[in-house]
Amino acid sequence: AQKVTQAQTEISVVEKEDVTLDCVYETRDTTYYLFWYKQPPSGELVFLIRRNSFDEQNEISGRYSWNFQKSTSSFNFTITASQVVDSAVYFCALSEKSYGQNFVFGPGTRLSVLP
Amino acid sequence: DVKVTQSSRYLVKRTGEKVFLECVQDMDHENMFWYRQDPGLGLRLIYFSYDVKMKEKGDIPEGYSVSREKKERFSLILESASTNQTSMYLCASSSGPREQYFGPGTRLTVT
Repeated sequence: AQKVTQAQTEISVVEKEDVTLDCVYETRDTTYYLFWYKQPPSGELVFLIRRNSFDEQNEISGRYSWNFQKSTSSFNFTITASQVVDSAVYFCALSEKSYGQNFVFGPGTRLSVLP
Repeated sequence: DVKVTQSSRYLVKRTGEKVFLECVQDMDHENMFWYRQDPGLGLRLIYFSYDVKMKEKGDIPEGYSVSREKKERFSLILESASTNQTSMYLCASSSGPREQYFGPGTRLTVT
């Protein structure tokens, strides 16, 4: 069965610190997709990134970077030089080709960036 | 720019009322989803639809029904609202197994 674990329930950092959010997944499929979403206090989930199972290349987008490692079934998300606006709940999610269009979401990690 | 809209941001209803939550997407996505989000329980899938007039139960369909008469619109119906249905309701759409795009959410309070 598919599963997504985000072991960190809450993280607090001071502005300009780097922070890594962990995501570990379980799947039996060889074809799957992994995602990260941000949910700011306004409530709307904002899509950040999609990675498919055949592409282990790390991704960097500005202050955000993602590290996908199939060997450890992890898809971690790092924010460099964090800012107060990064304060949000971050969700990791998995979809499998054999499971169709449905997602499995992790429980989320609440990040607080203090000024 | 992708767009998923929900009919209300905040809604207050009385116990026993019939409640309609509307969701519209402009991306020509075949898949649409309704979730509820509660503190400590994360996102839970209520119903989804992969085509017009098609619907599938998610993890927690009890007390809810859905309607999809047009590709761009997916409605969630609470036949007889109860206080335990007080929650944040999120609609999403997607194409295939790719990323889901979410609406702003409707915070429903049932009194």
